[in-house]
Amino acid sequence: EVQLVESGGGLVQPGGSLRLSCADSGFTFSDHYMDWVRQAPGKGLEWVGRIRNKANSYTTEYAASVKGRFTISRDDSKNSLFLQMNSLKTEDTAVYYCASSGGSYRPIQHWGQGTLVTVSS
Amino acid sequence: DIQMTQSPSSLSASVGDRVTITCRASQGISNYLAWFQQKPGKAPKSLIYDASSLQSGVPSKFSGSGSGTDFTLTISSLQPEDFATYYCQQYKNYPVTFGGGTKVEIK
Repeated sequence: EVQLVESGGGLVQPGGSLRLSCADSGFTFSDHYMDWVRQAPGKGLEWVGRIRNKANSYTTEYAASVKGRFTISRDDSKNSLFLQMNSLKTEDTAVYYCASSGGSYRPIQHWGQGTLVTVSS
Repeated sequence: DIQMTQSPSSLSASVGDRVTITCRASQGISNYLAWFQQKPGKAPKSLIYDASSLQSGVPSKFSGSGSGTDFTLTISSLQPEDFATYYCQQYKNYPVTFGGGTKVEIK
């Protein structure tokens, strides 16, 4: 069974930085594209960004709301996904989910349980 | 960006009811549409992909249809475990975008 487990959430001040991690088990992590999706309290789902696999040069895509502030990376040797968040704003407060998909024009299949990031002074 | 509009935003239904949720894309997305179910405090769960294909393990009471700009999710006979919020998502273009959600509540 696929299992994605996020970690690294917490309380951070506006302007600060935080790094989220997502560890996988149960499937061939290196083959998959990996996404981050977030959900502000009481709100809907918002796609944050994606990193492709090695065959597609680990290229990335980002939502406009985070582009230039957030960076997605991965370490296939450790079956791990990362989200480096800089210049955090109060509106970045959300539960952050990692998710896996099969590639371009393929849907999200598996979700992690989420980790809460709170940006507040 | 492709805008995804779901309707209704919420609905009340009884156990055993047939429920239909619609999702409209602001431009054609072929069949690159997924549906997700989310219960309070839980991660989303993938239900349907490519507009009408069921994810592994999803019961057949869920079905999806549509292509281009108009899509539907139908639950054939609502059960207590189906009360949740449902989201559509397009994955044809970046940025990937979600609908605003439809909350299905008990009447």
